[in-house]
Amino acid sequence: DPKIIQKPKYLVAVTGSEKILICEQYLGHNAMYWYRQSAKKPLEFMFSYSYQKLMDNQTASSRFQPQSSKKNHLDLQITALKPDDSATYFCASSQEGTASAETLYFGSGTRLTVL
Amino acid sequence: QQQVRQSPQSLTVWEGETAILNCSYEDSTFNYFPWYQQFPGEGPALLISIRSVSDKKEDGRFTIFFNKREKKLSLHITDSQPGDSATYFCAASARNSNNRIFFGDGTQLVVKP
Repeated sequence: DPKIIQKPKYLVAVTGSEKILICEQYLGHNAMYWYRQSAKKPLEFMFSYSYQKLMDNQTASSRFQPQSSKKNHLDLQITALKPDDSATYFCASSQEGTASAETLYFGSGTRLTVL
Repeated sequence: QQQVRQSPQSLTVWEGETAILNCSYEDSTFNYFPWYQQFPGEGPALLISIRSVSDKKEDGRFTIFFNKREKKLSLHITDSQPGDSATYFCAASARNSNNRIFFGDGTQLVVKP
């Protein structure tokens, strides 16, 4: 059974619209992340959250907003979508404060296509 | 400035051969270097990792060689199998970096039977 669930697996949107990418992890981890993968930048760090608080944000645009309603959830809201946002978005998690804190566990991704 | 660089971009070897994937980094404070393996349609998964206090880490057919002075490392896959065909990402992180991990651009490995 997948331990990190990302929904939907595929998403098609029109330019200017808004979408929410869902991520739930069942590993009991206290840190969660979003990464973006595209042909231009294979694995690009976007956000990190620890105990539901934003720790690091490397996304220049405010159109990308993570939302953490529960400890094991970290959704990603993207507004005013542009074709350049087309990519696969990966959610990941880790357990801070342990010997394996640096090991990231990735979900299977949401492939977003913006027309 | 790209923090982690990988070469080659793609590599094809025959089954049974040794594949060598190279990686270099910029930041001398990096002290943890994981390699992730990614199959099409899946997320990356940790394959093997090394810390900067070691110069070699072995796990079955996979071995990391690390040269701290030159800020280089390599992943050797011996007796390559078609099932090893995947994209391999070298990554690096430093202590107290909010656990931000920097990834290279990946090496796409194809193992021909």
